[in-house]
Amino acid sequence: DIQMTQSPSTLSASVGDRVIITCRASQSISDWLAWFQQKPGKAPHLLIYKASSLESGVPSRFSGSGSGTEFTLTISSLQPDDFATYFCQHYYSFPWTFGLGTKVEIK
Amino acid sequence: QVQLAESGGGAVQPGRSLRLSCVTSGFTFGQYAMHWVRQAPGKGLEVVAVISGDGSNQYYADSVKGRFTISRDNSKSTLFVQMNSLRPEDTAVYFCARDAHNLGDPLGFCDSWGQGTLVTVAS
Repeated sequence: DIQMTQSPSTLSASVGDRVIITCRASQSISDWLAWFQQKPGKAPHLLIYKASSLESGVPSRFSGSGSGTEFTLTISSLQPDDFATYFCQHYYSFPWTFGLGTKVEIK
Repeated sequence: QVQLAESGGGAVQPGRSLRLSCVTSGFTFGQYAMHWVRQAPGKGLEVVAVISGDGSNQYYADSVKGRFTISRDNSKSTLFVQMNSLRPEDTAVYFCARDAHNLGDPLGFCDSWGQGTLVTVAS
């Protein structure tokens, strides 16, 4: 199985900060990567697919980049609604696996 | 709009069975592969089982293979998972989710999710 490693596991930031979350795959997954946001008690919400494509309705402050084994999710200017946990997921081959998440906390 | 609503969760003893359902609306159900994804308390996400739009192909995580069976009723826009021989490590919130690909076979990620149903396996 392909392992997905996210860093950091927790991130403290302030409103307006630029935030970067990293996801590494244990082998090349081309650009078959998605990013999700999850708030406590809620379902995951799709932000980015195919590494850099923004899902419809998602604010443009979210962006994704990378290919192969290294990927990043960037929030250009953190907003109050963005404090949440973020997961990456590969869909290169089954089983499709998720990273363990990055919790973005208020500094 | 797209809606997914899971039901059937609850507390069950190890070794027993449970059947989860997911009623959907707002899209042509049979055109989409569907997933069950679980999240243990305070943990990450795991794709448990996936079924193609016409039901002909199923995919299972090794952790549930031989114990869980995913199925669907396209006439009722409903997804199911039969969970047998439940173990304490199956304790999780189970989400029903729609694959992003609308041509029947799964692409592998989901663009719409239900709110989840909690399954607790304990004696």
